[in-house]
Amino acid sequence: ETGVTQTPRHLVMGMTNKKSLKCEQHLGHNAMYWYKQSAKKPLELMFVYNFKEQTENNSVPSRFSPECPNSSHLFLHLHTLQPEDSALYLCASSQEPDGTSGNTIYFGEGSWLTVV
Amino acid sequence: GQNIDQPTEMTATEGAIVQINCTYQTSGFNGLFWYQQHAGEAPTFLSYNVLDGLEEKGRFSSFLSRSKGYSYLLLKELQMKDSASYLCAVRDSNYQLIWGAGTKLIIKP
Repeated sequence: ETGVTQTPRHLVMGMTNKKSLKCEQHLGHNAMYWYKQSAKKPLELMFVYNFKEQTENNSVPSRFSPECPNSSHLFLHLHTLQPEDSALYLCASSQEPDGTSGNTIYFGEGSWLTVV
Repeated sequence: GQNIDQPTEMTATEGAIVQINCTYQTSGFNGLFWYQQHAGEAPTFLSYNVLDGLEEKGRFSSFLSRSKGYSYLLLKELQMKDSASYLCAVRDSNYQLIWGAGTKLIIKP
């Protein structure tokens, strides 16, 4: 139990579907992140939110739409995805997005997404 | 460009010692992290180095040389449960985390 909870753990969706991934952190952190993890590739940072405000969008296609209603919750809305979007999507949180020494990032278990 | 290199896969024997290397080329440096990730699970924090030298934490130690752009994770008295992927990440001058692709460590009896 890392203090970061993601649902669903597994999701299979067609290319025309609309679905959402949910993340909740119970650590009192200010910053939340979405990462994409593909096999044998480095973690790819997708979005960063600091105090509910989006501070980073790493050229992510618009078919991925994040939402952060408060500092504890983060969503990733998915629509018209492509098969190459199949991957593990990790949510993470930290006390601050930068500056503090250490500033360890805590990850959720991830949501395995398969696009068919 | 920014780059983190670590071996793709390593194999070691239960009870032995293994060293996983990480070399980096980043725009600035504000710390280096090691994470452990078991298959199907979340990456979990192992260690953080910001100054040169060795940080020891039980069976795990992490070393950093900033002048060489080099770190290693040393695992002693290997146990089967240490079979996992080990991720190296560097925080650059913009405090962005740059990640390596991870090293899959296989422990054999």
